[in-house]
Amino acid sequence: EIVLTQSPGTLSLSPGERATLSCRASQSVSSKYLAWYQQKPGQAPRLLIYGASTRATGIPDRFSGSGSGTDFTLTISRLESEDFAVYYCQQYGSSLYTFGQGTKLEIK
Amino acid sequence: QVQLVQSGVEVKKPGASVKVSCRASGYTFTDYYMYWVRQAPGQGLEWMGWINPKSGGTNYAQRFQGRVTMTRDTSITTAYMELSRLRSDDTAVYYCCMGPGERIFGVVRAYYMDVWGKGTTVTVSS
Repeated sequence: EIVLTQSPGTLSLSPGERATLSCRASQSVSSKYLAWYQQKPGQAPRLLIYGASTRATGIPDRFSGSGSGTDFTLTISRLESEDFAVYYCQQYGSSLYTFGQGTKLEIK
Repeated sequence: QVQLVQSGVEVKKPGASVKVSCRASGYTFTDYYMYWVRQAPGQGLEWMGWINPKSGGTNYAQRFQGRVTMTRDTSITTAYMELSRLRSDDTAVYYCCMGPGERIFGVVRAYYMDVWGKGTTVTVSS
C-alpha cells in the first residue's frame, strides 16, 4: 500500500500570502492518479486538482498543483479568507486508494 | 446533475451493525464504481472500499476486510455499506463518492472522486 505523507501538519499564514503544501508518496505514483481536495468543517471534501496539476471545474487559478514521482505540491498563490481549510492529497493505484493525513491551513 | 443522497444519522451500540445507503441520480448508476470513505471526528479521510455496481464485485481496504460488506440495488440506483461488530472507534462520518477514470469492462473505475454525498454520521456508544 502506498503511504502519502503531507507536510506541514498545520500551516499558519495570513490572507494574501502564498501557501505551499507538500505530499510525499512512499512509492512512485503516476501523476495521472494524484488528486488534491479541500475540506471545510461540516462539509464533504471538494475536488481541487486532479492529474497532479489540472484544476477541477470552478476552481480559481490561484490554486495550482505540480510534481511527479514521489513528490507533489499544492500551491495557493494568494490566500483568500475562504481558502483556510484542511487539504488532502489522494492517490490511486492497483485498485487501492489512499489519502494523506491532511494539512490544516489556518489564519495567522 | 449528478447527486448522491445518503441515509440519516445512526446511533448504534458496540457489537451491532450499521447499514448506510447512498442513492445515486443524474447518471447511469451501473457505469461508475461507487466508493466509501470515512472520517472519524477530528481525523483525516480513510478509504474503505469500492463496489462495481454492474457486477457487484467489491474491493475492501485491508483493515475493514471481514467487517464491511458493500452491496447495491440497481433497480433503485442505491449502494449500501454495512459495517458489523461496531466499536467506539467506528464513530465517524461515512461518505459515498464517485468520479471519472478508466473504463474497465464498461464500468468506470475512478482516478479521483469529484462527486460526494453529504455524509452519514454514525455514532457507536453504549
